[in-house]
Amino acid sequence: GQQLNQSPQSMFIQEGEDVSMNCTSSSIFNTWLWYKQEPGEGPVLLIALYKAGELTSNGRLTAQFGITRKDSFLNISASIPSDVGIYFCAGITGANSKLTFGKGITLSVRP
Amino acid sequence: GAGVSQSPRYKVAKRGQDVALRCDPISGHVSLFWYQQALGQGPEFLTYFQNEAQLDKSGLPSDRFFAERPEGSVSTLKIQRTQQEDSAVYLCASSYTSGRTDTQYFGPGTRLTVL
Repeated sequence: GQQLNQSPQSMFIQEGEDVSMNCTSSSIFNTWLWYKQEPGEGPVLLIALYKAGELTSNGRLTAQFGITRKDSFLNISASIPSDVGIYFCAGITGANSKLTFGKGITLSVRP
Repeated sequence: GAGVSQSPRYKVAKRGQDVALRCDPISGHVSLFWYQQALGQGPEFLTYFQNEAQLDKSGLPSDRFFAERPEGSVSTLKIQRTQQEDSAVYLCASSYTSGRTDTQYFGPGTRLTVL
């Protein structure tokens, strides 16, 4: 089936640093989303992208929908300890809006 | 307002037992999704409802899995004759409409452990 690729599995950064995460696919998606999940909770939507080439910001977060519609990236600037969590990319292809998720990247922020 | 709630939060079952997991979506939300999240993995789609109609059940892994939403609000995911490989977090999500631009709001999940 369709898969979204996220790597590395874990990232360790210093508080205040910027971090960039990439997500790639062999298939085209017409919507890309970035979610954050904390322990014991469900994923929470951070940013949604609906058009190829779209660049969207949400506070310190910026994400882009790749021109080929097969990739997306998420940037977090000036990281803070509460940015710790698992970041998932997700895509939508069909009409019923079911999400296809990547495996996630666990972000650790050292104070 | 209340978000998506799920119960129980934790369920331990012996292999072969049947379990029922409940999802209370946000009031008025038309669409409801179930996902399965294995340890260390991203959520994987199981099934989708638009009101009471189950429009997509392509992700259900076997005929032991059954979901319903009889009145178009609360949904139940039932797993019969549970197996160890069914151990996972089961997430429910709802959205106001069925459009792809509509945000899916997730519940906290039910962690199922099959011994």
